[in-house]
Amino acid sequence: AQSVTQPDIHITVSEGASLELRCNYSYGATPYLFWYVQSPGQGLQLLLKYFSGDTLVQGIKGFEAEFKRSQSSFNLRKPSVHWSDAAEYFCAVGARDNFNKFYFGSGTKLNVKP
Amino acid sequence: SAVISQKPSRDICQRGTSLTIQCQVDSQVTMMFWYRQQPGQSLTLIATANQGSEATYESGFVIDKFPISRPNLTFSTLTVSNLSPEDSSIYLCSSSSERGWETQYFGPGTRLLVL
Repeated sequence: AQSVTQPDIHITVSEGASLELRCNYSYGATPYLFWYVQSPGQGLQLLLKYFSGDTLVQGIKGFEAEFKRSQSSFNLRKPSVHWSDAAEYFCAVGARDNFNKFYFGSGTKLNVKP
Repeated sequence: SAVISQKPSRDICQRGTSLTIQCQVDSQVTMMFWYRQQPGQSLTLIATANQGSEATYESGFVIDKFPISRPNLTFSTLTVSNLSPEDSSIYLCSSSSERGWETQYFGPGTRLLVL
């Protein structure tokens, strides 16, 4: 069965520090992979996506993510966090073979210390 | 990318009543999706709504409780019926762009509180 695991429920980093949010998935084939961000009271905004090709993908707001097939991971990174990055981040898997049904991880809440 | 709006943005409802949420997309799309996000939780897919066919519901969600309409390629509604406090959640709709069906774009959500 498809599943997405985000092992870190809460993460706190200092402004200017680097960030890595973990995402592991379980899927029978190579999935479509996504990271979304949800700011308080807002909907979900797409940060980046991976379909195929280069395993390092660049997104908006200075985020990047790397697909590692051997580890079934798609971790999100940012070299220098800004206070405005405080939000909740969701990793999602799109099922290629099932009308792109999405499966979401439980989310990681990011706090940024000044 | 598709731009999606939802109405209402929030509502407070009494137990036993119903709420209908509207979702409007700025372009024609084949597939629309409805999600529920319970407090402090992730998103759970309720159903997939394709124009011209019955919605397809996920396990644990039934049409009597969550009737969905999809009258055209830019609009859908989700009704949450016979409300109970457990229905207090954020309800989000999403769609894929016709030019990039693999990616889902989300509306801002409807916050529902049931008293």
